[in-house]
Amino acid sequence: DAGITQSPRHKVTETGTPVTLRCHQTENHRYMYWYRQDPGHGLRLIHYSYGVKDTDKGEVSDGYSVSRSKTEDFLLTLESATSSQTSVYFCAIGIAGRTYNEQFFGPGTRLTVL
Amino acid sequence: RKEVEQDPGPFNVPEGATVAFNCTYSNSASQSFFWYRQDCRKEPKLLMSVYSSGNEDGRFTAQLNRASQYISLLIRDSKLSDSATYLCVVGSNTGGFKTIFGAGTRLFVKA
Repeated sequence: DAGITQSPRHKVTETGTPVTLRCHQTENHRYMYWYRQDPGHGLRLIHYSYGVKDTDKGEVSDGYSVSRSKTEDFLLTLESATSSQTSVYFCAIGIAGRTYNEQFFGPGTRLTVL
Repeated sequence: RKEVEQDPGPFNVPEGATVAFNCTYSNSASQSFFWYRQDCRKEPKLLMSVYSSGNEDGRFTAQLNRASQYISLLIRDSKLSDSATYLCVVGSNTGGFKTIFGAGTRLFVKA
């Protein structure tokens, strides 16, 4: 158990509203990631962080922003939600080791944008 | 062409069968390779890292062929509990961090 929690676990919102998803870890890992998972696409990286206030874009970052003010928390914000952002969002931590950056995932957040 | 490709399946096998999954990747600079397992409506969980020399963990064997750019996962003596989606994952840190997930191969093991 990598000690990762996500909140909320489920959310339904309307188009145009801002949404913030939270990822919390208890073990002070440096690397944290946000992915979305959609049928037929697999997991796609949205943003990642390699330390407090250090973040970078992934392959599907448009429409999303992130913040990491504390090691344990990584926030994903949809500034103005759209129906195309309906998805399952997974947070992960990366553990650098022999095989380079194995990732462990939180339980996910199911987001529906109406 | 996708950077990481897997046969989506589904693979339907009886208990006790041996089943093999293959995965191809396009980035020759890739440095790390993994297999993850994902149960329905759950998060992916790391099953195995894949080493250049190949590695085995109980009924599971992973192989890497860098020359042909593919990774394989072999499951022997399949159990009902092996039913899940298996994700191939390839990582590199060339030109910035990058981890690419395949879309997954669905496995059903039947009694």
